Amino acid sequence: AQTVTQSQPEMSVQEAETVTLSCTYDTSESDYYLFWYKQPPSRQMILVIRQEAYKQQNATENRFSVNFQKAAKSFSLKISDSQLGDAAMYFCAYRSANYRDDKIIFGKGTRLHILP
Amino acid sequence: NAGVTQTPKFQVLKTGQSMTLQCAQDMNHNSMYWYRQDPGMGLRLIYYSASEGTTDKGEVPNGYNVSRLNKREFSLRLESAAPSQTSVYFCASLRQEGFLRATNEKLFFGSGTQLSVL
Repeated sequence: AQTVTQSQPEMSVQEAETVTLSCTYDTSESDYYLFWYKQPPSRQMILVIRQEAYKQQNATENRFSVNFQKAAKSFSLKISDSQLGDAAMYFCAYRSANYRDDKIIFGKGTRLHILP
Repeated sequence: NAGVTQTPKFQVLKTGQSMTLQCAQDMNHNSMYWYRQDPGMGLRLIYYSASEGTTDKGEVPNGYNVSRLNKREFSLRLESAAPSQTSVYFCASLRQEGFLRATNEKLFFGSGTQLSVL
């Protein structure tokens, strides 16, 4: 069974600085998708960024980028120029690319605090 | 578009009572999911459904049943509620594009149901 581990329950970063959130996963599959979702206090879930395992290039979305290390099964999220609106819970998620398996599992999350 | 609609938003039950959480999506998505969120535990998958008429167990299915009667609706039932089922419940549906390979995948979530079992 696949697992997703986020080892940092909470992190803090100064506004305008850069922060990296860690995520590791365990799978025996070679093809899969990885995601980062953000949950602000409103409880709404927002997709931040996605990565397809077969793509070697790291995904980027404006100030958000990932460091995808397939061999190490690591998928960290880097937030540059942190803003107050980035304060939220961040969840890492995994889905197999096997078309027969639509299961999506999440890590326990990292609560990110932005210090003004 | 309404997206994913969950009802009710809040519910208080007594131990042993039953209830059904309703979820509907209007985006024509095939796959739908039920998660529970507890402090320090993240989002845990209860059940999911890849298509109408099919359901599969997730990480924490015990004490729950689901029903996917049509493409739009995916309900979660607690037959005999227990205090351990106090949680926030989220329904979600998965947008997938592409034919041979899913692209542009994204989960759309409902606003959640805060359930307390006394």
